[in-house]
Amino acid sequence: EPEVTQTPSHQVTQMGQEVILRCVPISNHLYFYWYRQILGQKVEFLVSFYNNEISEKSEIFDDQFSVERPDGSNFTLKIRSTKLEDSAMYFCASSAWEVQYFGAGTRLSVL
Amino acid sequence: AQSVAQPEDQVNVAEGNPLTVKCTYSVSGNPYLFWYVQYPNRGLQFLLKYITGDNLVKGSYGFEAEFNKSQTSFHLKKPSALVSDSALYFCAVRTGDTAGNNRKLIWGLGTSLAVNP
Repeated sequence: EPEVTQTPSHQVTQMGQEVILRCVPISNHLYFYWYRQILGQKVEFLVSFYNNEISEKSEIFDDQFSVERPDGSNFTLKIRSTKLEDSAMYFCASSAWEVQYFGAGTRLSVL
Repeated sequence: AQSVAQPEDQVNVAEGNPLTVKCTYSVSGNPYLFWYVQYPNRGLQFLLKYITGDNLVKGSYGFEAEFNKSQTSFHLKKPSALVSDSALYFCAVRTGDTAGNNRKLIWGLGTSLAVNP
């Protein structure tokens, strides 16, 4: 069964550093998403991406964040100048239509 | 504002007994409703959805959910719980905008289900 894959599973970084979280969506899907979950809090929408551009973004998704689909298979989330409060589980998802399928997540720890 | 409430942090049920995990929502327009399950160190796994049609929808692993428009609820149910059903369950909603935008999911806090042998 096709699945969304995310790498790495755990990323540790120093405050102020840049990180890139990587995702390989399901191959025939056209919509891509990033969500995050801070420990003990709700899953929060960050951004959706369709047709090579951002279709929707949340207030969280400020200039510190960017997304890219550099080739036909990868979908990346870049966080510039990480802050302590960026520590969270980041989930990538993809969909063909209504149902979003999620990867296992990348746990980002900012020290 | 759109929101989802899962009023129970934890649900405990004996194996073989029926289970219910509650979810209520608030959304403008027609809701698209989803249940996901998360096992330890795994991603969010899709269980079932309500888009339109019959209020009772069936999903994976014997789960079902009932959409109740008047009560704005979408409770997850299973007639006979298994120990292997123990996991974290999330309810999510989005608006039924089919224009391609506004696909973001709004999530509940999750309910931890413990099925005891």
